[in-house]
Amino acid sequence: EPEVTQTPSHQVTQMGQEVILRCVPISNHLYFYWYRQILGQKVEFLVSFYNNEISEKSEIFDDQFSVERPDGSNFTLKIRSTKLEDSAMYFCASKTQGTVNTEAFFGQGTRLTVV
Amino acid sequence: KQEVTQIPAALSVPEGENLVLNCSFTDSAIYNLQWFRQDPGKGLTSLLLIQSSQREQTSGRLNASLDKSSGRSTLYIAASQPGDSATYLCAAPLGAAGNKLTFGGGTRVLVKP
Repeated sequence: EPEVTQTPSHQVTQMGQEVILRCVPISNHLYFYWYRQILGQKVEFLVSFYNNEISEKSEIFDDQFSVERPDGSNFTLKIRSTKLEDSAMYFCASKTQGTVNTEAFFGQGTRLTVV
Repeated sequence: KQEVTQIPAALSVPEGENLVLNCSFTDSAIYNLQWFRQDPGKGLTSLLLIQSSQREQTSGRLNASLDKSSGRSTLYIAASQPGDSATYLCAAPLGAAGNKLTFGGGTRVLVKP
């Protein structure tokens, strides 16, 4: 069964360093998302991406964050200068269509620990 | 703004008992509601998506209902098994475009053998 794949599963980085989280969405999906879950808190939306541009972003998604689809298969989230509060589980998701009634499929997540 | 709440935060049942998980939402103009399972430290596995036009959606031992007027969705898991132990999350799309999901805090379920 097709699935969303995320790498790495766990990343430890020093504060101030740049990190890139990688995702391979399901192959025929066109809409891509990043969410995060700080330990003990709700899953929260970061950004949605379609047709090589951001379609929506949350207040969390400030200038330190960027997304890119560098080729036909990968979708990346970059955090330019990590802070301690960026420590969280980051989830990538994809959908076939951007319509509201299309099911979203999530990856297994990348646990980011900033020290 | 859509707010999604799940109560209780944790639930423990003996094996074989039916599970009833609750999800409340504030905006009744909801398009659908999606239920997920999350194992500790793991990703989100989609279980069911119930459309606003549906009252129920079933998959195996799972049954989800949606009552827009009361702002509630319920996930029933019949004849629970220890393997059903996980956190169950519900999420609703925010806005007509549905480009982002608003999640509840989850209910952590423990099924005791």
